[in-house]
Amino acid sequence: NAGVTQTPKFQVLKTGQSMTLQCAQDMNHEYMSWYRQDPGMGLRLIHYSVGAGITDQGEVPNGYNVSRSTTEDFPLRLLSAAPSQTSVYFCASSSLESSYEQYFGPGTRLTVT
Amino acid sequence: AQSVAQPEDQVNVAEGNPLTVKCTYSVSGNPYLFWYVQYPNRGLQFLLKYITGDNLVKGSYGFEAEFNKSQTSFHLKKPSALVSDSALYFCAVRVNTGFQKLVFGTGTRLLVSP
Repeated sequence: NAGVTQTPKFQVLKTGQSMTLQCAQDMNHEYMSWYRQDPGMGLRLIHYSVGAGITDQGEVPNGYNVSRSTTEDFPLRLLSAAPSQTSVYFCASSSLESSYEQYFGPGTRLTVT
Repeated sequence: AQSVAQPEDQVNVAEGNPLTVKCTYSVSGNPYLFWYVQYPNRGLQFLLKYITGDNLVKGSYGFEAEFNKSQTSFHLKKPSALVSDSALYFCAVRVNTGFQKLVFGTGTRLLVSP
């Protein structure tokens, strides 16, 4: 049982490049989320999903896309990277059974130059 | 707006002393409250949660938290701090807006000195 996994751990992009951050969970959780963590701002919700085929925007969705074709996977796409997207990105999953306690992946540290 | 506040950016305590990390909340209805810990270069790890019942909640690594409805607080405590407790601590509240999302505080860095 690997929990929540994320790849890559580190990434450097140039402004305007696109990329996909991968997230997978093996706990059969229905809910998955993407957060970004910036100093002094805590975690902010980017996008979330309540099940396969269902996604919605969080607090800071601009510049990011998501899809959820399977229960296990929830990739985050940066369409055209900007320096403001330099951050640490966390994927999380949760379920009704755990009172929506969130299980976090190890994070991806992204730098956009 | 439903939110949590962590008024201290950093808490310093000597090893062996008791520690408290503060959190206050603002929600409508009954709050579901959580504490998470983040060690350097790691994801967040769940420590404990308050759903209902006893106001004193016990969690992982010897931590506990006290729910106080009149003061709208959910402070994290430990009777005797360890150097290894040094980390970033986040308080969070569950917000029921169709999606059961968590709203996080800005975090408190705990530094335990030997």
